[in-house]
Amino acid sequence: SQQGEEDPQALSIQEGENATMNCSYKTSINNLQWYRQNSGRGLVHLILIRSNEREKHSGRLRVTLDTSKKSSSLLITASRAADTASYFCATWMDSSYKLIFGSGTRLLVRP
Amino acid sequence: DTAVSQTPKYLVTQMGNDKSIKCEQNLGHDTMYWYKQDSKKFLKIMFSYNNKELIINETVPNRFSPKSPDKAHLNLHINSLELGDSAVYFCASSQSTRDRPYEQYFGPGTRLTVT
Repeated sequence: SQQGEEDPQALSIQEGENATMNCSYKTSINNLQWYRQNSGRGLVHLILIRSNEREKHSGRLRVTLDTSKKSSSLLITASRAADTASYFCATWMDSSYKLIFGSGTRLLVRP
Repeated sequence: DTAVSQTPKYLVTQMGNDKSIKCEQNLGHDTMYWYKQDSKKFLKIMFSYNNKELIINETVPNRFSPKSPDKAHLNLHINSLELGDSAVYFCASSQSTRDRPYEQYFGPGTRLTVT
């Protein structure tokens, strides 16, 4: 079964609001990554957080990682219509060559 | 100066045909991947090559055969296409090794429709 499960599956917010997406996983990881996919496009890497890190920031993005709960969250602050996309978490297990992707959260930011 | 490119972008074909998708990266990465994204947006790895060597071969029908002529290219050939092969196929590349994982760079995808 897939390593990552995301919650919620879909999220609709007003422009300017914050959006929070959660990801849970099952086994120990080396790192966790978040990607964005705009409709009809490829995935774009947003942020990578290693297992020994708890929080990371990149612009309007804030990612947290709680390895004891095997969960991560992605916060997008002051959302914009251009943030409308699907967001995926992906985990890299120790001694593995592969990323396992979650099911994704579809974010709609209404202007 | 596209980082990861795929051709074709769209592919419509009939059941039973054989088709290929090509991928090229100009990032100097050692590792390349093929993913399949189904209609529910679930993304699953199919294959990975590191320095032209196959390192990941997930449970994929034998009808799918990857080929890496050099580090910058990873092609996917599909024989005897079936309706269930309809999906979007993504190529990706990375500097990753087993113990040093990094982010992946994705191509724009190839939407395969089998009729």
